[in-house]
Amino acid sequence: ETGVTQTPRHLVMGMTNKKSLKCEQHLGHNAMYWYKQSAKKPLELMFVYNFKEQTENNSVPSRFSPECPNSSHLFLHLHTLQPEDSALYLCASSLIFTRGAGEQYFGPGTRLTVT
Amino acid sequence: SQELEQSPQSLIVQEGKNLTINCTSSKTLYGLYWYKQKYGEGLIFLMMLQKGGEEKSHEKITAKLDEKKQQSSLHITASQPSHAGIYLCGAARRESGGGADGLTFGKGTHLIIQP
Repeated sequence: ETGVTQTPRHLVMGMTNKKSLKCEQHLGHNAMYWYKQSAKKPLELMFVYNFKEQTENNSVPSRFSPECPNSSHLFLHLHTLQPEDSALYLCASSLIFTRGAGEQYFGPGTRLTVT
Repeated sequence: SQELEQSPQSLIVQEGKNLTINCTSSKTLYGLYWYKQKYGEGLIFLMMLQKGGEEKSHEKITAKLDEKKQQSSLHITASQPSHAGIYLCGAARRESGGGADGLTFGKGTHLIIQP
């Protein structure tokens, strides 16, 4: 599945580092999402973008900063993270119709470890 | 907030046997998505159900939506080793009406296929 790509696939960073996660979708979709998957917890929605505009921030700490320069690219900028932020970060995209959203397709994820 | 409960949490099935996974919502279901995840990887879209009583099939996997019971079931016929993985149900959080909508997910069902 290469419709949604994410880089890097693995990232180890210290608590004082600044890094960015990248997501790119090749499906012609117009909505993009960031999700966080931690051990033993359900997949959690973080941010929603609709035509490059952020439409939802699900109470995410400010140390996570999303950026969506166009409908195909989504970034998650990270700074001063905590060890509990270690998780699998998943990007997804979908088409938006007047009657609702279509299927969401996910990327392979970035496994983040904060030391 | 909406919660999705999946049962069973884990399942070990002999190859060739049938199995069913259930997903029950604490609130009205507006759209129900089924995904499969290999350990530590991204989610693979299986099916989306939107109408009460709707049933969809893909190869040996069938999913049904019971809107009144706020429940969906995923049935696999004649299981194969390739069916092993984590099955996740996700739900749209609001009635269709346009705009991007992140999903709420269950904790997943771990499926192991024994040869």
